[in-house]
Amino acid sequence: GESVGLHLPTLSVQEGDNSIINCAYSNSASDYFIWYKQESGKGPQFIIDIRSNMDKRQGQRVTVLLNKTVKHLSLQIAATQPGDSAVYFCAEKPADSWGKLQFGAGTQVVVTP
Amino acid sequence: NAGVTQTPKFQVLKTGQSMTLQCAQDMNHEYMSWYRQDPGMGLRLIHYSVGAGITDQGEVPNGYNVSRSTTEDFPLRLLSAAPSQTSVYFCASSFGETQYFGPGTRLLVL
Repeated sequence: GESVGLHLPTLSVQEGDNSIINCAYSNSASDYFIWYKQESGKGPQFIIDIRSNMDKRQGQRVTVLLNKTVKHLSLQIAATQPGDSAVYFCAEKPADSWGKLQFGAGTQVVVTP
Repeated sequence: NAGVTQTPKFQVLKTGQSMTLQCAQDMNHEYMSWYRQDPGMGLRLIHYSVGAGITDQGEVPNGYNVSRSTTEDFPLRLLSAAPSQTSVYFCASSFGETQYFGPGTRLLVL
């Protein structure tokens, strides 16, 4: 079946560097994508989202890029800080399913001093 | 606003016991859902509701029941707990497509 997946299960980043977290999706019918951050012992926290009619969207220190040609989604974090250490999930929503998100397995980001 | 709240935070059950995980939101969101999260895996949808009185099954509904009598509350019931239901359970709500999650309930079934 179609699923959302991540290329890298663990990403180690030096403090101050930029982080790039990648996500592959296979459902070409998905029209909405979202990134969540999950700190240990907490629920997923919304970071940024993007619709399929966009290629790029920026937030505060974060940018999401969507490449529909190769079905690839990425999250860029600028000037990574220790507080960015967490698991990051991407999720997609098929166009015919209101609210039913499909999640990837997650990427553990570790920020080193 | 308190957002999405879940109780209890942690629960231990014996196989065959029943319990209800509570979820409430004060944002007047129509859509609510329950997910489970297992180690090394993403969240999987158990049940969801698009409004009071309406519920439907998600990806992994077996062993769980839900009801939605009010907009605010969406309890998840385990009628006969099994060790395979050991997991962390998250409730979420949304008005549009962005879902907001509660802090989770960690459930251990012995």
